[in-house]
Amino acid sequence: EAGVAQSPRYKIIEKRQSVAFWCNPISGHATLYWYQQILGQGPKLLIQFQNNGVVDDSQLPKDRFSAERLKGVDSTLKIQPAKLEDSAVYLCASSFYYEQYFGPGTRLTVT
Amino acid sequence: AQTVTQSQPEMSVQEAETVTLSCTYDTSESDYYLFWYKQPPSRQMILVIRQEAYKQQNATENRFSVNFQKAAKSFSLKISDSQLGDAAMYFCAYSAAQGGSEKLVFGKGTKLTVNP
Repeated sequence: EAGVAQSPRYKIIEKRQSVAFWCNPISGHATLYWYQQILGQGPKLLIQFQNNGVVDDSQLPKDRFSAERLKGVDSTLKIQPAKLEDSAVYLCASSFYYEQYFGPGTRLTVT
Repeated sequence: AQTVTQSQPEMSVQEAETVTLSCTYDTSESDYYLFWYKQPPSRQMILVIRQEAYKQQNATENRFSVNFQKAAKSFSLKISDSQLGDAAMYFCAYSAAQGGSEKLVFGKGTKLTVNP
């Protein structure tokens, strides 16, 4: 079974630029999560989708972050404009029940 | 709000020996799940072991076992016969069992070094 796919793996941008990350979950997994992992910390949930509906986006900085999940499969996370403090690894995960499977992450560096 | 605390930022163990990583959590829920995830350097997060709160028996997966103390809200991970490949960041995580949001709440992690 293929795992959670993410791209790109690495991205370097300047502050105030925009960036987008893509995630393809495990086939059949209805729930998709985006986490932000700042260096030295545990991941923090940004947004959770159930199929193509948002379940929890309470910690998503909505003035600059947006996410969508078209047709309940792939998802994109966008940051516009980026700030220095957005430097982190962005992890995508999917689940069928309560067990989450993580992708390799996208490491974002904002200079 | 639920919180997860890992009080050991770093731990080290000799190869073939046993090490225990500590985790405490805070919740008002009676039904939930607890997890230990492993994150090797520059590699993706993988599930090591999980525990359902309603189960009294401690979970075991090969060399990995947990000591789940529900009343004390403690969930430690024991790694037996440590191997070099066990070196990684270990994260303790909590998930509610109800309510439609199964998001994981993570601790800050413990960096495990395995010495040959």
